[in-house]
Amino acid sequence: QQQVKQSPQSLIVQKGGISIINCAYENTAFDYFPWYQQFPGKGPALLIAIRPDVSEKKEGRFTISFNKSAKQFSLHIMDSQPGDSATYFCAAIGYAGGTSYGKLTFGQGTILTVHP
Amino acid sequence: NAGVTQTPKFQVLKTGQSMTLQCAQDMNHEYMSWYRQDPGMGLRLIHYSVGAGITDQGEVPNGYNVSRSTTEDFPLRLLSAAPSQTSVYFCASGRGGVQPQHFGDGTRLSIL
Repeated sequence: QQQVKQSPQSLIVQKGGISIINCAYENTAFDYFPWYQQFPGKGPALLIAIRPDVSEKKEGRFTISFNKSAKQFSLHIMDSQPGDSATYFCAAIGYAGGTSYGKLTFGQGTILTVHP
Repeated sequence: NAGVTQTPKFQVLKTGQSMTLQCAQDMNHEYMSWYRQDPGMGLRLIHYSVGAGITDQGEVPNGYNVSRSTTEDFPLRLLSAAPSQTSVYFCASGRGGVQPQHFGDGTRLSIL
């Protein structure tokens, strides 16, 4: 049972373009949504995160858009660069009943390739 | 400050063998966890710990054991390796809640 669904599986973008990765979730107990970036041979690293009481969060070239009613959120990478080529994971954490304590539920991942 | 250190980086096992994947963190984090990463499935939680002496199961715990005797260490044990356990294993640590979790660089495990 995949509680967080991510698309597309892979994405090719030209340098300077906009990369968009989408995620949808089912569990309404989720209330924190981080994005992780992973380079080959390395572990995931936190990129940016959002709480559902905010519709958008921007950090540099990276923006998360959040639609609580649709249970969807997306990552936008503006002015994409070859150095952004990596695998991106959306994730969710829920704290219903205080039992989740940071357990991450990940999406399937998106392999982003930015061509120079 | 090394962060989260996983050993070994690579391992090949035969079916039925046992082994322990090591994870150590030097950030005094309460929360530690183990994930496995498989193509097209993202990362899935195996076991986690909210402090020394406290562990619990994640989404895919079968075939794995954990213990947490110290704050720093959180080893993952494969009792009798199976080919289905071929995967990349990641250990993570954090302060819990919505605080960022720090991942190690993984152990790539192949079971023949």
